[in-house]
Amino acid sequence: AQTVTQSQPEMSVQEAETVTLSCTYDTSESDYYLFWYKQPPSRQMILVIRQEAYKQQNATENRFSVNFQKAAKSFSLKISDSQLGDAAMYFCAYRSPYGGSQGNLIFGKGTKLSVKP
Amino acid sequence: DGGITQSPKYLFRKEGQNVTLSCEQNLNHDAMYWYRQDPGQGLRLIYYSQIVNDFQKGDIAEGYSVSREKKESFPLTVTSAQKNPTAFYLCASSMTSAGNTIYFGEGSWLTVV
Repeated sequence: AQTVTQSQPEMSVQEAETVTLSCTYDTSESDYYLFWYKQPPSRQMILVIRQEAYKQQNATENRFSVNFQKAAKSFSLKISDSQLGDAAMYFCAYRSPYGGSQGNLIFGKGTKLSVKP
Repeated sequence: DGGITQSPKYLFRKEGQNVTLSCEQNLNHDAMYWYRQDPGQGLRLIYYSQIVNDFQKGDIAEGYSVSREKKESFPLTVTSAQKNPTAFYLCASSMTSAGNTIYFGEGSWLTVV
């Protein structure tokens, strides 16, 4: 069974600085999808970024980028020019390419990010 | 606007009552999901549905029931058999049950009084 581990329960960053959130996963599959979701105080889960395992190029979305290391099974999220609105809980998630119960999202336990003004 | 709508946002339940949380999506997604989140915890899957008129139990289905009579609707009933229902509930959907991004609604808070 696949697992996702976020080893940093809490992180803090100064406004306008850069922060990296860590995520590792375990799988025997060669093809899969990885996601970072943001959960602000409103509790809605918002997609931040998505990475397909077959793509070597790291995904980017404006100030958000990932460092995907397939061999190391590592998927870290880098937030550049941090803003106060980035303060939230961040969840790393894994999804198999197969349907049924195998295709359900597997979440890490989350990293709480604080942004200091 | 396209999206996933959950209602109500806040719900209070008395002991022994069944309550139903609504989830509607206009994204034309085939797959829909219900998750439960307890304070300071990650998400746990309650039920999922890959297609209309079909649904499967997730990791914590006991005390819950669902139906999928329409593609756009996936209501969750929290029954009196659920011993600790106070939690935040998130509905989600995706194009298929395999690989596509899963999108979430805004969630519903359920409190037992």
